[in-house]
Amino acid sequence: AQSVTQLGSHVSVSEGALVLLRCNYSSSVPPYLFWYVQYPNQGLQLLLKYTSAATLVKGINGFEAEFKKSETSFHLTKPSAHMRDAAEYFCAVSLPNFGNEKLTFGTGTRLTIIP
Amino acid sequence: GAVVSQHPSRVICKSGTSVKIECRSLDFQATTMFWYRQFPKQSLMLMATSNEGSKATYEQGVEKDKFLINHASLTLSTLTVTSAHPEDSSFYICSARPPLAGDEQFFGPGTRLTVL
Repeated sequence: AQSVTQLGSHVSVSEGALVLLRCNYSSSVPPYLFWYVQYPNQGLQLLLKYTSAATLVKGINGFEAEFKKSETSFHLTKPSAHMRDAAEYFCAVSLPNFGNEKLTFGTGTRLTIIP
Repeated sequence: GAVVSQHPSRVICKSGTSVKIECRSLDFQATTMFWYRQFPKQSLMLMATSNEGSKATYEQGVEKDKFLINHASLTLSTLTVTSAHPEDSSFYICSARPPLAGDEQFFGPGTRLTVL
């Protein structure tokens, strides 16, 4: 079975500051890892995903994440926060299954940007 | 592209009634759709996987007679909460996977169900 843990249900950063959202995973086999963003009253939108290619993954809106097997981590970062980044962020894991992958989500981190 | 809609976005019903939630893929055909439930301040929990033209596969602990899923076409899946009770109040989210999309899912905006 696989799982993800997101440390910190709420994170606040100042506009222009570094954003760091933490995610650790547990998996019996090499996993696929995802970050999704959810804006108010909208569906989840895929930010980026890792599927066993390059360990540093670049996503949309300036976000990136690095897969670190030794630390079982997949933390999300952005060098400079914008007000529009305020949202709920979910880390998710799935196991490779020939197109039948199921996602297991973390509990989410609400990111607040301080003007 | 890859837009998924849900209807209604919000519904309030009396205890004992049934509620139907629709999930549509607007610009692609989805052979597989997923239904999730999200409690306040908790993660999305997968309820069931729905494949067009076949019976849904329910996750452990999800009552299939309570949560009826129908995936009659490649663009529509419905979730019916039968004989709803206050403990069924939650945020229900669907997602859709196009053919040959591998692991990618596209999510709907969710439906907030409140059972009085």
